[in-house]
Amino acid sequence: EPEVTQTPSHQVTQMGQEVILRCVPISNHLYFYWYRQILGQKVEFLVSFYNNEISEKSEIFDDQFSVERPDGSNFTLKIRSTKLEDSAMYFCASSDLRNQPQHFGDGTRLSIL
Amino acid sequence: SQKIEQNSEALNIQEGKTATLTCNYTNYSPAYLQWYRQDPGRGPVFLLLIRENEKEKRKERLKVTFDTTLKQSLFHITASQPADSATYLCALTRAQTGANNLFFGTGTRLTVIP
Repeated sequence: EPEVTQTPSHQVTQMGQEVILRCVPISNHLYFYWYRQILGQKVEFLVSFYNNEISEKSEIFDDQFSVERPDGSNFTLKIRSTKLEDSAMYFCASSDLRNQPQHFGDGTRLSIL
Repeated sequence: SQKIEQNSEALNIQEGKTATLTCNYTNYSPAYLQWYRQDPGRGPVFLLLIRENEKEKRKERLKVTFDTTLKQSLFHITASQPADSATYLCALTRAQTGANNLFFGTGTRLTVIP
């Protein structure tokens, strides 16, 4: 069964550094998402992306965050200047149609030192 | 403020019994409600989706109900097995926006005891 893949599985970065998290969504999916989960807390929506543009973003997704679909397969989340509170598990998800089940990757654990 | 609450953080149940998990929400008008399973260190895995005009959905040993008057969904696992032990998340999609981003509850950690 096709799956969403995320790399790296664990990223350790110094505070203030830029980090790029990568995702390969399921190939025929059209909707892409990033979520994060701080340890012990709920999964929180960050941003959704459709037709090469952001369709919705949360309050968490401030100017430090950006997303890109640089080619036909990758979907990336960039954090420009990381803060300690950015430490979390970041999940990428995709769906084929609007309001359909989302398929999640296994996440990138981001640790900011 | 908008809230999605799941009845308890943890639920222990004997193997073979039915597990019932509750999801209550306030200040939402969800179009869809979904249930996901999350194992430690893994991403959520989709289980069931129910629409606002549906009362009940079933899939194998799983059943979900949706009561928009009570603002509640119940998720049942019948004939529970130790392999069902995981955290179960409910998630809503709001009706009033064009996007379909999910709003998750905090989850219920289910342990099925052999």
